[in-house]
Amino acid sequence: KNQVEQSPQSLIILEGKNCTLQCNYTVSPFSNLRWYKQDTGRGPVSLTIMTFSENTKSNGRYTATLDADTKQSSLHITASQLSDSASYICVVSAPRGGGNKLTFGTGTQLKVEL
Amino acid sequence: DTEVTQTPKHLVMGMTNKKSLKCEQHMGHRAMYWYKQKAKKPPELMFVYSYEKLSINESVPSRFSPECPNSSLLNLHLHALQPEDSALYLCASSQVHTEFNTGELFFGEGSRLTVL
Repeated sequence: KNQVEQSPQSLIILEGKNCTLQCNYTVSPFSNLRWYKQDTGRGPVSLTIMTFSENTKSNGRYTATLDADTKQSSLHITASQLSDSASYICVVSAPRGGGNKLTFGTGTQLKVEL
Repeated sequence: DTEVTQTPKHLVMGMTNKKSLKCEQHMGHRAMYWYKQKAKKPPELMFVYSYEKLSINESVPSRFSPECPNSSLLNLHLHALQPEDSALYLCASSQVHTEFNTGELFFGEGSRLTVL
């Protein structure tokens, strides 16, 4: 079982609409939780990083929330644009011997249509 | 300058070839990473260099050989690869990499490798 699970696996929305992507994790202890956007065939780009003490963080039209008690995070996209079409990956950072470890979720594939 | 530059963007090689992937960053970051990503899968960590020393090797086959000549450069030497090694290879850097924290990761655009 993947320690970072994302839902839905894929999503299609109309331009201008809002959407929310979910991330549930079992990684423990954890240092921080990140959301990345990855366009097809390109490297991921960081959207937000939150420590366990942060509940919400915004980056433009992207707002991430974190509930460390229930081990859930969400990424809310407001007023979607065609350029938001990408894979959104939730990543949990945890301490490990020899260095920190990032556990990647399998991503939500978002498609924004006219 | 917040770029991580990877070359080449595309590489096709035979199973007997020797080739290298290169990565460069000029953000003063002291940690650099190699990831492998197959289609529709998340990136998988291969190696981590911290202060130019190899700190993590995720049991990667020896046909992949990393090298960190200095704090700005990271190479991945490839030899006797298999077709299943075909993937997008991503380089990343961060300010630090400690047991308790991986700083914000900056990824390159990747090198698309095809092994025939």
